[in-house]
Amino acid sequence: DAKTTQPPSMDCAEGRAANLPCNHSTISGNEYVYWYRQIHSQGPQYIIHGLKNNETNEMASLIITEDRKSSTLILPHATLRDTAVYYCIVTILTGGGNKLTFGTGTQLKVEL
Amino acid sequence: DAEITQSPRHKITETGRQVTLACHQTWNHNNMFWYRQDLGHGLRLIHYSYGVQDTNKGEVSDGYSVSRSNTEDLPLTLESAASSQTSVYFCASSESGTGTGELFFGEGSRLTVL
Repeated sequence: DAKTTQPPSMDCAEGRAANLPCNHSTISGNEYVYWYRQIHSQGPQYIIHGLKNNETNEMASLIITEDRKSSTLILPHATLRDTAVYYCIVTILTGGGNKLTFGTGTQLKVEL
Repeated sequence: DAEITQSPRHKITETGRQVTLACHQTWNHNNMFWYRQDLGHGLRLIHYSYGVQDTNKGEVSDGYSVSRSNTEDLPLTLESAASSQTSVYFCASSESGTGTGELFFGEGSRLTVL
């Protein structure tokens, strides 16, 4: 799986958009970009994933650059409950199972 | 509702003892995974299984074993607990096939080895 690079920490004001970057310059053509988050002491939670098109769901938007070497997770209106560690992971989506490799992620702190 | 549960949620044991952490999921997922998480590290994969009777080693498998006798359960055994195995352990599951590949995680088991 391709290696990812994320800033260790970011701050965001409540109600503003949180934009979390991820670099994955060695990503291969069949690797997907996944985002998970982990709220303190809980198990990680899936947010969104994509291959090359931008994706949006009820939680977030995922913007992948045209060369696919980086991506941005956007939380459009961050709340205090979005304070968490956010993990960017790239992996092949197989018909079997995905054994994801987690890095250390970005600690997002949402403040009043 | 379908879920994934881990037990015990907290355990304190002594060096050298055998410890088993249970993981049970009711989604009928073929894929199950065990991770450990330590301060300063992300989640690291210990063992995983893609179905009954299938088990595979992850990146930090030394000192751990798993067995998969049915779809619902993947117990993690520490044969002889060591202080270096003090950690928070997370179990996860996912469906096979052409789904999203999403992993569903349990709430974690905090193990302290004295």
